[in-house]
Amino acid sequence: EAQVTQNPRYLITVTGKKLTVTCSQNMNHEYMSWYRQDPGLGLRQIYYSMNVEVTDKGDVPEGYKVSRKEKRNFPLILESPSPNQTSLYFCASSRQGEAYEQYFGPGTRLTVT
Amino acid sequence: AQSVAQPEDQVNVAEGNPLTVKCTYSVSGNPYLFWYVQYPNRGLQFLLKYITGDNLVKGSYGFEAEFNKSQTSFHLKKPSALVSDSALYFCAVRDPILTGGGNKLTFGTGTQLKVEL
Repeated sequence: EAQVTQNPRYLITVTGKKLTVTCSQNMNHEYMSWYRQDPGLGLRQIYYSMNVEVTDKGDVPEGYKVSRKEKRNFPLILESPSPNQTSLYFCASSRQGEAYEQYFGPGTRLTVT
Repeated sequence: AQSVAQPEDQVNVAEGNPLTVKCTYSVSGNPYLFWYVQYPNRGLQFLLKYITGDNLVKGSYGFEAEFNKSQTSFHLKKPSALVSDSALYFCAVRDPILTGGGNKLTFGTGTQLKVEL
């Protein structure tokens, strides 16, 4: 089954404790992206990657890091989480090209206390 | 710059009645437009898209959307709503002449659709 998986689905952590949210896709997609969803703000792009070793900032990259060492994986790293990073996070992937729809993972609900 | 607006936070409709969820956009060139649906505790699912051609686009679960260039709108419609259609709906836009950003989509703030018996 074609899918995007994320782990963990739920995470509660404390300020400053480094964490990684994993994302993996099995569709051989070139493009991957991370979004955060906050009430009243819709989805905002954090980082994206157009292929292996090619990443770039989205609209809200502060406080986040990413890497793309393999085509299928695109982890999101929070080096020193803060409460304002409490949010619902989605990973997405698609074929390269603006006309292609994106496939989304199930989401990771992160709470930073 | 590209932007999209969903003017209604919530839409309520009775089962069996037609439904419309509104979306307007702003881009420099001809837009690529998408609708996604989010069910509780789930990721976003693709419903339909407009790239070029016929202004009326048909998608999953009986939904359709009409692209109107003069009104810069892309409203989502369904002739007969079901209770199971209750979910959060997002409109998204991509300006193909926008350089950089890859496949970046700009999303609206979402419209909660509630279909009641």
